[in-house]
Amino acid sequence: GDSVTQMEGPVTLSEEAFLTINCTYTATGYPSLFWYVQYPGEGLQLLLKATKADDKGSNKGFEATYRKETTSFHLEKGSVQVSDSAVYFCALSLPGRLAFGKGNQVVVIP
Amino acid sequence: GAGVSQSPRYKVAKRGQDVALRCDPISGHVSLFWYQQALGQGPEFLTYFQNEAQLDKSGLPSDRFFAERPEGSVSTLKIQRTQQEDSAVYLCASSLRREGRDTQYFGPGTRLTVL
Repeated sequence: GDSVTQMEGPVTLSEEAFLTINCTYTATGYPSLFWYVQYPGEGLQLLLKATKADDKGSNKGFEATYRKETTSFHLEKGSVQVSDSAVYFCALSLPGRLAFGKGNQVVVIP
Repeated sequence: GAGVSQSPRYKVAKRGQDVALRCDPISGHVSLFWYQQALGQGPEFLTYFQNEAQLDKSGLPSDRFFAERPEGSVSTLKIQRTQQEDSAVYLCASSLRREGRDTQYFGPGTRLTVL
């Protein structure tokens, strides 16, 4: 069935470093793709989305491009801050639900 | 306006107790969803409402789980005879259109701990 796979393990990096979190998907149709972020003690917040192939979603310095040829939606940020420390979830839309990846914890060290 | 709210934020139950978790979606949102998030995992779909109609309950893990949205607004997720494996964060989300084909907005969740 339709699903999302995120790279394994937490990500630890220094402030101002470049961040990439990989996300690949399996889908029979043409779903919308999302990145959600969960800060400590808070609910999920939509970070960015893309609704069709080649769309680029962007927000707060984060970007992700919907790539149909590689079935990917990798999240990138050029220079992370300590405040970006959170758990990041990739998700795809299905009729009547979202399917989420397992999430990646990102820890940014000053 | 106000976002999605959930109550209680934390719930501790003894094994075998019944619990009720409440979700107040964004006013006017047609679709409402419940997800279960185990520790260290992504949210897993439980059930979906379009207005007051429960159109999909395929994600409910057992018949001990029951959800309702009688007036098409507030929703309650009820878990009967709780078990330790029910310990998780229960997330509610709402979206403006049918089937959640637009953005889903999430509440802060209810963390359920079953002792």
